[in-house]
Order: sequence, then structure tokens, then C-alpha cells
Amino acid sequence: QQQVKQSPQSLIVQKGGISIINCAYENTAFDYFPWYQQFPGKGPALLIAIRPDVSEKKEGRFTISFNKSAKQFSLHIMDSQPGDSATYFCAASMNSGYSTLTFGKGTMLLVSP
Amino acid sequence: NAGVTQTPKFQVLKTGQSMTLQCAQDMNHNSMYWYRQDPGMGLRLIYYSASEGTTDKGEVPNGYNVSRLNKREFSLRLESAAPSQTSVYFCASSGRGWETQYFGPGTRLLVL
Repeated sequence: QQQVKQSPQSLIVQKGGISIINCAYENTAFDYFPWYQQFPGKGPALLIAIRPDVSEKKEGRFTISFNKSAKQFSLHIMDSQPGDSATYFCAASMNSGYSTLTFGKGTMLLVSP
Repeated sequence: NAGVTQTPKFQVLKTGQSMTLQCAQDMNHNSMYWYRQDPGMGLRLIYYSASEGTTDKGEVPNGYNVSRLNKREFSLRLESAAPSQTSVYFCASSGRGWETQYFGPGTRLLVL
């Protein structure tokens, strides 16, 4: 049973454009939602995270939008750059983070020059 | 600080062979994890260790065993490798709370 569904599988965006990746979850007990970024040949690294008590969190060009009623959250990358080309994973956990992470299947982003 | 280190980086096995993947962290983290990554499947948790002396099964534990050797080291063993275990294996660790997980560079395993 996939508890976190991520879309799209792959995404091509022109340099300067906005990249949007969406995730939906089923378990209402989830209360922590991070995004991880993975470059080819490397391990994933935490990019940005949000808790459901806020609807949006912004760090530089990266923004998480959270819709608790719809059980959805998304990552927006503004002014996308070729260096943002990577695979992005959404994830979710329970108990204020004191539980294991459940990952989405990932989105491969390519930002064309 | 090296963070999370994994050895080997790459390994080729024949079906039925055994091997141990090693993982170590120097961040004094309590929790450690083993994931496998397959194309289109995301990251799937194999086993984790919430603290030294404890281990628990994750989503896909069959065919694997783990040992939390001490606070720094967490190993993953394949007793009898199968082609279905061809994958990239990542070790991760986390400190206070389980929130931010720090990943190693991965071990690429090919089972023929």
C-alpha cells in the first residue's frame, strides 16, 4: 500500500520557469512532510520540510504548499536553474517526526538551459 | 566530519553468495536506517535501528539481516543474494527526533 503518492514521475522545465511537484497522502496521522533532493550518484539530502500547522513554507527559491483538508502538499521551485536538475522525493512521518519516513516514488526534474 | 560513510561503493555478486554492507556515521546519531532504491520505486526502508541495541523491520526486510554493532555502525547482510536484490543501497542516520535523515553515498549492488 503506497501511502504517499507523488507526481509527475518526470518533469522538464525551461530555465527560469516554475517547477511544481505534487504529493498526496492517505494517513491522517502524518504530521511531518519533508522533501529530499538527490543528485545523480549521490545520496538524498533534506531540502525543505513543513508541519501541518502552517500552509506554506519558503526557503529561497523553494516553497512547500500544504493543504491539510485535501491531504496534499507540493514543492514549487521558482526561477528553476539547470543546477536544480535532480530527483526529488516527498516523504511523510508521524508522531512529530519520531517515526520512520515514508517516501514517494520520486520525480526526476530536468531544467533545460 | 565524514557524515555517513558506506563500503563498498560497488559490488558484483553471483546468485547465492553472501556479503555485508557496512555503514558508519560520525554525527553521534541514535537512529540508523537501511534503504534500497530501485528505478520508479523510490526509497524503501529495509531495516532500521532506533537506538543502539535495537533493530526493527521496515517495508522490505525479506532476504536481509542487520546488526547494530555500536552507536556508530550499522551493517546490512545478504545471506544468499538473489537477482531481485540488485539495487542501490543507502544507509542513513538521524539524531534528536527522527526528522532529518542524513544519507550516505550508496552502495551499488549487482547480483548475477
